[in-house]
Amino acid sequence: EVQLVESGGGLVQPGGSLRLSCGASGFTFRIHAMHWVRQASGKGLEYVSGINSNGGATYYVDSVKGRFTISRDNSKNTVYLQMGSLRAEDMAVYYCARSPSSGWYYFDSWGQGTLVTVSS
Amino acid sequence: DIQMTQSPSSLSASVGDRVTITCRARQGINNFLAWYQQKPGKVPKLLIYTASTLHSGVPSRFSGSGSGTDFTLTISSLQPEDVATYYCQKYPSAPFTFGPGTKVDIK
Repeated sequence: EVQLVESGGGLVQPGGSLRLSCGASGFTFRIHAMHWVRQASGKGLEYVSGINSNGGATYYVDSVKGRFTISRDNSKNTVYLQMGSLRAEDMAVYYCARSPSSGWYYFDSWGQGTLVTVSS
Repeated sequence: DIQMTQSPSSLSASVGDRVTITCRARQGINNFLAWYQQKPGKVPKLLIYTASTLHSGVPSRFSGSGSGTDFTLTISSLQPEDVATYYCQKYPSAPFTFGPGTKVDIK
């Protein structure tokens, strides 16, 4: 069974940093592109960042470029999202999601999400 | 970036009704469109990809159609468990923009 488990969320002050992790199991992690999607309370889904299967290609939505870094460790079946210079508008549930193959495709599995709260 | 729109933003229908949701891309995206269902308080789930291919385990009352810029998600006979917000999403070129969502509930 495919499982994606996010961790690392919590309360952080504006301007602070946080690192989210997404541990994967039940599938061959190294052959799948992985993504982060966020959802502010009561709002829709917003694509944040993605990384291809070998980590050689990444993408960031404009609002997080230069502040967030996505990475992966295929030996640990884990994808990370390092978030810096956090703002109130970054406050959301962050979901980890999997593409069905190495390329940039739709998302066929999602984690349960981890809540990031940005507040002083 | 290609923007995605959805209509209506919300709808209320009776059990057994046929429900249609529309998604429009500002530029043509061939058939690279996915639909997701997010039930209240739950994680989004993939329903349909490549505009019309039903994901494994999704009930056959769901169907998708369209190509280019205009797409539809149809629920042939609305069930109480279909109460959810439905999102379309474009791919494979980044950003993988989601539509704003359509909230479906039971009348």
